[in-house]
Amino acid sequence: DAKTTQPNSMESNEEEPVHLPCNHSTISGTDYIHWYRQLPSQGPEYVIHGLTSNVNNRMASLAIAEDRKSSTLILHRATLRDAAVYYCILRDRAAGNKLTFGGGTRVLVKP
Amino acid sequence: GAGVSQSPSNKVTEKGKDVELRCDPISGHTALYWYRQSLGQGLEFLIYFQGNSAPDKSGLPSDRFSAERTGGSVSTLTIQRTQQEDSAVYLCASSLSQNNEQFFGPGTRLTVL
Repeated sequence: DAKTTQPNSMESNEEEPVHLPCNHSTISGTDYIHWYRQLPSQGPEYVIHGLTSNVNNRMASLAIAEDRKSSTLILHRATLRDAAVYYCILRDRAAGNKLTFGGGTRVLVKP
Repeated sequence: GAGVSQSPSNKVTEKGKDVELRCDPISGHTALYWYRQSLGQGLEFLIYFQGNSAPDKSGLPSDRFSAERTGGSVSTLTIQRTQQEDSAVYLCASSLSQNNEQFFGPGTRLTVL
């Protein structure tokens, strides 16, 4: 699986937007960009995924660069419940559905 | 509806003993995955089932680890002759098919003394 690079940690104030960057310069044409998050003492939770176009859902937005070598997860209004480790993952659709997790970004939300 | 469930939630065992970890996926999900997360580490893929067959066992760390799935539903991960380095949280996930989002269970925390 292609490798992703994320900052180790980020801080945000409650009710402010959070922009989480992810670099994936070796992405291939069949790789989907997935984001999962893991709250403390819980299993990971799906957030969003995309291929080429920007995506929005009730949890977040995903902005994908035109060359697909980077993407940004956007939490529009951070809440205390959004404090978690966020993982950016490339999944090769041609190679099954296993997820290869990296180190992720630990998001701290300050009240 | 019910999510992915795993049992036991915690397991403490002695080095050299065998352990079995159980995963009940979401009803109707054909794909099932096992991962593990060692203390302070990221998640590591172990094995993937589509139905009852395992097309990808590439993540199993040694031949002490095995897994099976019966009836396209429940899966059991077995670790024989446990070692201290097997201590981790073992997570199970399921998805509707192999190209859908994965839903994770709460995990089983295994401690090998």
